[in-house]
Amino acid sequence: QKEVEQNSGPLSVPEGAIASLNCTYSDRGSQSFFWYRQYSGKSPELIMSIYSNGDKEDGRFTAQLNKASQYVSLLIRDSQPSDSATYLCAVIDSSYKLIFGSGTRLLVRP
Amino acid sequence: DTEVTQTPKHLVMGMTNKKSLKCEQHMGHRAMYWYKQKAKKPPELMFVYSYEKLSINESVPSRFSPECPNSSLLNLHLHALQPEDSALYLCASSQEGGNTGELFFGEGSRLTVL
Repeated sequence: QKEVEQNSGPLSVPEGAIASLNCTYSDRGSQSFFWYRQYSGKSPELIMSIYSNGDKEDGRFTAQLNKASQYVSLLIRDSQPSDSATYLCAVIDSSYKLIFGSGTRLLVRP
Repeated sequence: DTEVTQTPKHLVMGMTNKKSLKCEQHMGHRAMYWYKQKAKKPPELMFVYSYEKLSINESVPSRFSPECPNSSLLNLHLHALQPEDSALYLCASSQEGGNTGELFFGEGSRLTVL
């Protein structure tokens, strides 16, 4: 069973801190990796995609990919209360299927 | 404002009713998707249409029937649903056909089956 695993949280950080969200995947043949943000009662919104090893930065967000360790992470710098949401990691596996993790709930305390 | 529009936003139906969920996108995307999401769970893929053809059916019960009248529209016809089918139904689209993780989701249709 191909899996994408995330800690369900909640991950609680103070405003202004760096939030670090982690995700591991089981299918070594996975090639494409995504982070979605989902506010309570709303639909998921794509915030980052990463396709090669290393870091990819977009504003306050940095996605990090390590294919050897089968690990992808999302860093949120200068966290704001408006970042409080569930963050879903998603992976295109070797069967070209998009697999979502169960999500990590982030709570940013004012 | 989302560029994938779903109607209705809320739907309550009895187990003998027939209803439809509708989805529209005007981004010129070539693939459209139906997902089902239960509370505190990730979205679960139901169907994918790629270039207006059904390309993936994730063994969804026949009480759910998708339809893609054209490249901008996607419907989900509902008949004889069960209370456990109550969920948020999400439509999504992608620029490429079917094998991408870059999805644009609509706001969803929250379905309650009594």
